[in-house]
Amino acid sequence: EIVLTQTPPSSPVTLGQPASISCRSSQNLVHNNGYTYLSWLHQRPGQPPRLLIYKVFNRFSGVPDRFSGSGARTEFTLKISRVEAEDVGVYYCMQTTQFPYTFGQGTKLEIK
Amino acid sequence: QVQLQESGPGPVKPSGTLSLICDVSGESISSSHWWNWVRQTPGKGLEWIGEIYISGSTNYNPSLSGRVTISVDKSKNQFSLRLTSVTSADTAVYYCARFTETGMDVWGQGTTVTVSS
Repeated sequence: EIVLTQTPPSSPVTLGQPASISCRSSQNLVHNNGYTYLSWLHQRPGQPPRLLIYKVFNRFSGVPDRFSGSGARTEFTLKISRVEAEDVGVYYCMQTTQFPYTFGQGTKLEIK
Repeated sequence: QVQLQESGPGPVKPSGTLSLICDVSGESISSSHWWNWVRQTPGKGLEWIGEIYISGSTNYNPSLSGRVTISVDKSKNQFSLRLTSVTSADTAVYYCARFTETGMDVWGQGTTVTVSS
């Protein structure tokens, strides 16, 4: 099973400032077909997770361009260029390259 | 707009069977997608349970040790989860989700299942 390790566990950020979350995979996430199936999800309290980024760097429909994803093989990063109040919650990375699909343990974004 | 909605009978007794349904609206379940179940607990976080394609092909998480079955009912445009021999460790919020080339892109609101005597 692929283990995804996120850092930091929590991130207090000032509104308008950038934020960055890392996700490290225990195995190379490049699929046999050449794609890397690493996604980022955002979850607000009492809500289901919501897809932000898929295949490392592709923003899902309706996701603001202040969100960006990068990385390759085993190291991935989610960046928020300027944090807004609605960005609070928990962020998860998720891999669907190999069964079983797995999630990171989450990073809680809080406003200072 | 595609929407998913989980439903279930409520609390389940230990050693019993957990059964949930996911109603799909706004799209035919026969579309070329995989339909998934994911659960969430405070202790273990998000855990993928398994998925089904309209052909009936399934993939399951080995951690559930053969206790899980996912099925699809095209006539009702829904898919189902069945988890047997439940324990308190199966107490969780259960989500159904659609999986496409863009990832797990549509989620239900989730339903809380409590295993308790």
